[in-house]
Amino acid sequence: DADVTQTPRNRITKTGKRIMLECSQTKGHDRMYWYRQDPGLGLRLIYYSFDVKDINKGEISDGYSVSRQAQAKFSLSLESAIPNQTALYFCATSTHRGHTDTQYFGPGTRLTVL
Amino acid sequence: TQLLEQSPQFLSIQEGENLTVYCNSSSVFSSLQWYRQEPGEGPVLLVTVVTGGEVKKLKRLTFQFGDARKDSSLHITAAQPGDTGLYLCAGQKNTGNQFYFGTGTSLTVIP
Repeated sequence: DADVTQTPRNRITKTGKRIMLECSQTKGHDRMYWYRQDPGLGLRLIYYSFDVKDINKGEISDGYSVSRQAQAKFSLSLESAIPNQTALYFCATSTHRGHTDTQYFGPGTRLTVL
Repeated sequence: TQLLEQSPQFLSIQEGENLTVYCNSSSVFSSLQWYRQEPGEGPVLLVTVVTGGEVKKLKRLTFQFGDARKDSSLHITAAQPGDTGLYLCAGQKNTGNQFYFGTGTSLTVIP
């Protein structure tokens, strides 16, 4: 079974709709992240959480919100989707050891907003 | 603008050729990582470098962290079709803080 899972894997929705993307992990990591990926821009951080009571904005948080329901679950919401939020969304987890963190990514959710 | 810029953005080469991908910034990073991503999947970590000037080798892949810890390079020797993918660098400014990803380099190795 995959360590980091995302649901749904694909979603097509209309402008103005509320969308929730879910992420679950079985790695036991405290840290979880949401990124979006657009061609030519790499991955950009939306929100991150270092434990259940900790939520931090990333570089592109406008238009998004998150909820850390448990150590293993981190969901991303688009309250009112717009077409420029069409992208590939990745959830990741990490654990901090020594000088570095290693991130483990889910398979991604492809979101299309019409 | 992105904190980490990668070049080239696209690279198409013949099997057996060598190539180098660059990851540059004006900021200093405490560590830098390289990931590879295949279509339909999330990025997978290849290597982490933490010391200025550090060189790490992973089979045919050689990774170097710049002396000033602002840049890094990935060199592939005798590229194989299995090396095809999107290569991403990612840096942490301070240990344990958020990651900043580069713009990505899409590599295609033609058999």
